[in-house]
Amino acid sequence: DQQVKQNSPSLSVQEGRISILNCDYTNSMFDYFLWYKKYPAEGPTFLISISSIKDKNEDGRFTVFLNKSAKHLSLHIVPSQPGDSAVYFCAASLLSTASKLTFGTGTRLQVTL
Amino acid sequence: DAGITQSPRYKITETGRQVTLMCHQTWSHSYMFWYRQDLGHGLRLIYYSAAADITDKGEVPDGYVVSRSKTENFPLTLESATRSQTSVYFCASKVGHSYEQYFGPGTRLTVT
Repeated sequence: DQQVKQNSPSLSVQEGRISILNCDYTNSMFDYFLWYKKYPAEGPTFLISISSIKDKNEDGRFTVFLNKSAKHLSLHIVPSQPGDSAVYFCAASLLSTASKLTFGTGTRLQVTL
Repeated sequence: DAGITQSPRYKITETGRQVTLMCHQTWSHSYMFWYRQDLGHGLRLIYYSAAADITDKGEVPDGYVVSRSKTENFPLTLESATRSQTSVYFCASKVGHSYEQYFGPGTRLTVT
């Protein structure tokens, strides 16, 4: 049973426009959410995160929004750049000493010129 | 080099063979994790370790064995490889109080 879902396997956006990547979760106990970016033949790298006590977190061109009532989070990239082309994974965690991450299936973003 | 490394980066093995994937980190992070990445499944946790000599199962542990005799190393062993274990394997580490995990570059394993 997939507790974290990314229903769009791929997304294509023009350079300069906004990219919106979506993620839904089923476990209301998740209290921390992260986005990772992955290039081919490399490991995932941390991008941005948000605590469940917030509804927005911003870091430069990247903003994550959290809607707890809908169990939905989204990553906005503005403006999109060709170097943003990668696979994006959302992940969720329960507060614990291990804080294990549950990952979504990923969305491949392609930013076109 | 500082960071987290995995070896080998690519491995082809035959069904039934034992194979060990290595993971080494230089940060002295207490937690280490093994994931596999498969199309349609994202990253799934195989095993994790909170400290040397402390390991626990993740979501998909069957067919895998781990050990952690030293803080910096966390090898993953496939005791008798099967074709379903063909995947890309990622090792990760983190400090005890944080959520953010740092990933290695991955090992692409093919079982023929």
